[in-house]
Amino acid sequence: GQSLEQPSEVTAVEGAIVQINCTYQTSGFYGLSWYQQHDGGAPTFLSYNALDGLEETGRFSSFLSRSDSYGYLLLQELQMKDSASYFCAVEDSWGKLQFGAGTQVVVTP
Amino acid sequence: DAGVTQSPTHLIKTRGQHVTLRCSPISGHKSVSWYQQVLGQGPQFIFQYYEKEERGRGNFPDRFSARQFPNYSSELNVNALLLGDSALYLCASSYGTSAHYEQYFGPGTRLTVT
Repeated sequence: GQSLEQPSEVTAVEGAIVQINCTYQTSGFYGLSWYQQHDGGAPTFLSYNALDGLEETGRFSSFLSRSDSYGYLLLQELQMKDSASYFCAVEDSWGKLQFGAGTQVVVTP
Repeated sequence: DAGVTQSPTHLIKTRGQHVTLRCSPISGHKSVSWYQQVLGQGPQFIFQYYEKEERGRGNFPDRFSARQFPNYSSELNVNALLLGDSALYLCASSYGTSAHYEQYFGPGTRLTVT
């Protein structure tokens, strides 16, 4: 079977740094993606890691360790607009995305 | 350019009825995937279609079916609706079928089964 684990909620103040961890178990693994979803909105793609290491895109960075079945999303210089749900998703050997349950990030003034 | 569009935006059905949800992908995208998102959960994969052929199926009963048309638009059909089918149904399109092709999600169809 497959499973993904990520924290249910993280709270931080504006300007802070937040790290959202994701651990996964899968019978086949091609890559790890991160999506952001605001309340009532559609998920939007943030990043994708197929190889070990860090990918940086502006204030957001994502990391993958295939040997540890672990990744994280790093949100820097938090802004109020970053309050949203963040999902990690693995692509398995069949080419489909499996999403975690999501992490609610709450940014406070 | 228009993004992924879905219709209808909201739908209320009663148990046992049938529903058809529609999705138009971004122009040039040949892959369409369907997801079910129950409140408070992550999207759950239902189907993926590429070039009008089913390329993947999630763990959903046979009451769920889909198809992709020559213009790459897609329909999701659900028969014999159950209360538990109430959810946000998301359609996502991408150029190809690998995860490194970014999936663009539509706004979803909110289905309520009473």
